[in-house]
Amino acid sequence: KQEVTQIPAALSVPEGENLVLNCSFTDSAIYNLQWFRQDPGKGLTSLLLIQSSQREQTSGRLNASLDKSSGRSTLYIAASQPGDSATYLCAVSRSGGGADGLTFGKGTHLIIQP
Amino acid sequence: NAGVTQTPKFRILKIGQSMTLQCTQDMNHNYMYWYRQDPGMGLKLIYYSVGAGITDKGEVPNGYNVSRSTTEDFPLRLELAAPSQTSVYFCASSYSAGRSSYNSPLHFGNGTRLTVT
Repeated sequence: KQEVTQIPAALSVPEGENLVLNCSFTDSAIYNLQWFRQDPGKGLTSLLLIQSSQREQTSGRLNASLDKSSGRSTLYIAASQPGDSATYLCAVSRSGGGADGLTFGKGTHLIIQP
Repeated sequence: NAGVTQTPKFRILKIGQSMTLQCTQDMNHNYMYWYRQDPGMGLKLIYYSVGAGITDKGEVPNGYNVSRSTTEDFPLRLELAAPSQTSVYFCASSYSAGRSSYNSPLHFGNGTRLTVT
């Protein structure tokens, strides 16, 4: 059974710093990986989706990388801002797809101090 | 374009009561999902649908039922509420034209916070 782990569970950094959030998964036979952001009391917002054949995806100050063979992904946030404060979750879908094949991590709670 | 809309936002139920959580999307997505999120836990899939008239169980379906009579709507029914169903429920949708339901990003509603006492 696929297991997704996110480290650290919580992170607090001063504004302006670059930071890295980590996601690891136990079964490397994945179809793709998604990073989401969740604000308090809100649903999840998709940030980046990386196909298993890709190494990275970029959107603005966000860069997500994928190393499928080692079962790892990182989300890099450049020049962090207080508005980046949220919980970040990663999710992997198993190879072959299947609508029931998405496994979520528990998330990293990020606080950016002004 | 409202995206995924869930109602109600909050609800308190007594044990044994029933209710329906509503979910509608206006993006013409073929896939729809119901997840629950418990504190300190990842999201768990309750039910999903790959199109109108087709539904299937996820990881934690016991105590719930769904229907998908239209592309837009995917209500979740709790028949006999139990304290273990206290959670935040999220509806999501996505579009897939290929063999995987996850080749496009998931869109989530803002959730329904349910307390059963």
